[in-house]
Amino acid sequence: SQQGEEDPQALSIQEGENATMNCSYKTSINNLQWYRQNSGRGLVHLILIRSNEREKHSGRLRVTLDTSKKSSSLLITASRAADTASYFCATDTTGGFKTIFGAGTRLFVKA
Amino acid sequence: ETGVTQSPTHLIKTRGQQVTLRCSSQSGHNTVSWYQQALGQGPQFIFQYYREEENGRGNFPPRFSGLQFPNYSSELNVNALELDDSALYLCASNPDRGGYGYTFGSGTRLTVV
Repeated sequence: SQQGEEDPQALSIQEGENATMNCSYKTSINNLQWYRQNSGRGLVHLILIRSNEREKHSGRLRVTLDTSKKSSSLLITASRAADTASYFCATDTTGGFKTIFGAGTRLFVKA
Repeated sequence: ETGVTQSPTHLIKTRGQQVTLRCSSQSGHNTVSWYQQALGQGPQFIFQYYREEENGRGNFPPRFSGLQFPNYSSELNVNALELDDSALYLCASNPDRGGYGYTFGSGTRLTVV
């Protein structure tokens, strides 16, 4: 079973717009991670936010974490066509030994 | 730029056969995890190895087995292949048992016919 669930399943925007993806999870976590995957290739780690952090930035990426609502969001600002990919959230659960992925959000950025 | 390499990149096997997929992890990464990703789905956790011992397992039958070697390489073995085993198999390494982002390989695309 999947721990994280992303929303929306698919998102289509114009280049230059911002893209927001959301992730909800079910159990307590140590950290939450976001990954990008291009066309069925390997996943690329984007950012990790720990359970005691509320917000984190990396370049054009901004991640928030609300442990009371068991949810996270990934914001990509000023999107580019090259941002077209699938984005997955993944969680390391408290007392667990595995990183569990959600089903992903497919982002399409139109030039 | 990835420190994790997987081989082969593509593979076609017949139902009932056995397959071995290989992964070379980033040096110094003591943890390796294997994932199965069906088309249009998120990666599903198969198992994790830490310092050559199985550290945890997902909801996969015993015909999925693995090994991790001291040189940071690892294997995923699947016996008695079924059509539903067709998927992208991903290897991912991590410096420790958690708390870090994973470095993924590009995957092996397995097709069972």
